[in-house]
Amino acid sequence: AQTVTQSQPEMSVQEAETVTLSCTYDTSENNYYLFWYKQPPSRQMILVIRQEAYKQQNATENRFSVNFQKAAKSFSLKISDSQLGDTAMYFCAFMKHLPMNRDDKIIFGKGTRLHILP
Amino acid sequence: GAGVSQSPSNKVTEKGKDVELRCDPISGHTALYWYRQSLGQGLEFLIYFQGNSAPDKSGLPSDRFSAERTGGSVSTLTIQRTQQEDSAVYLCASSLRQGNTEAFFGQGTRLTVV
Repeated sequence: AQTVTQSQPEMSVQEAETVTLSCTYDTSENNYYLFWYKQPPSRQMILVIRQEAYKQQNATENRFSVNFQKAAKSFSLKISDSQLGDTAMYFCAFMKHLPMNRDDKIIFGKGTRLHILP
Repeated sequence: GAGVSQSPSNKVTEKGKDVELRCDPISGHTALYWYRQSLGQGLEFLIYFQGNSAPDKSGLPSDRFSAERTGGSVSTLTIQRTQQEDSAVYLCASSLRQGNTEAFFGQGTRLTVV
């Protein structure tokens, strides 16, 4: 069974700084997808970034980028030039490439609460 | 609609009453998830529907909780004899079967048991 671990329950950084959120996972699969979701105080879950395991190139979305280390099963999120609006809970998630049965559900980590300080 | 719709947005109920929470997933999405989120906490998996397969109910915390998905679309989460510890936000998400698309979440239902 797959597991996702986020070892940082809470973090705080000053506005404009760069912050890295860590995520590790465990799987025997070779082809899968990894996601970072953001949940601001409004509680709406928003996809921040997605990475396909078969792609070696790290995904980037504006100020958000990932460091995907497949062999180490690590998938960290880097937020550059952090802004007050980045304050949120961040969840790392794993999904198999082709979920086939009821055991193949998306797996979420427990989340990291990020505070951007003015 | 374009997104996952949940109703009601907020529900206040008296301890011991039954409640039904509704989730209307994105059309065509075969996978549907229910999660519970207590204040400031992470996502607690409750139940997962995937197509016509038997649902994964492994996350339901007690037999007071049940869920069904009719016609592979709308889902209802029912909590019987509600307790104060059931107070939380209940989130629904749906996705395509393939893993190359993400799960889309509704806004959630905030349940308060008084």
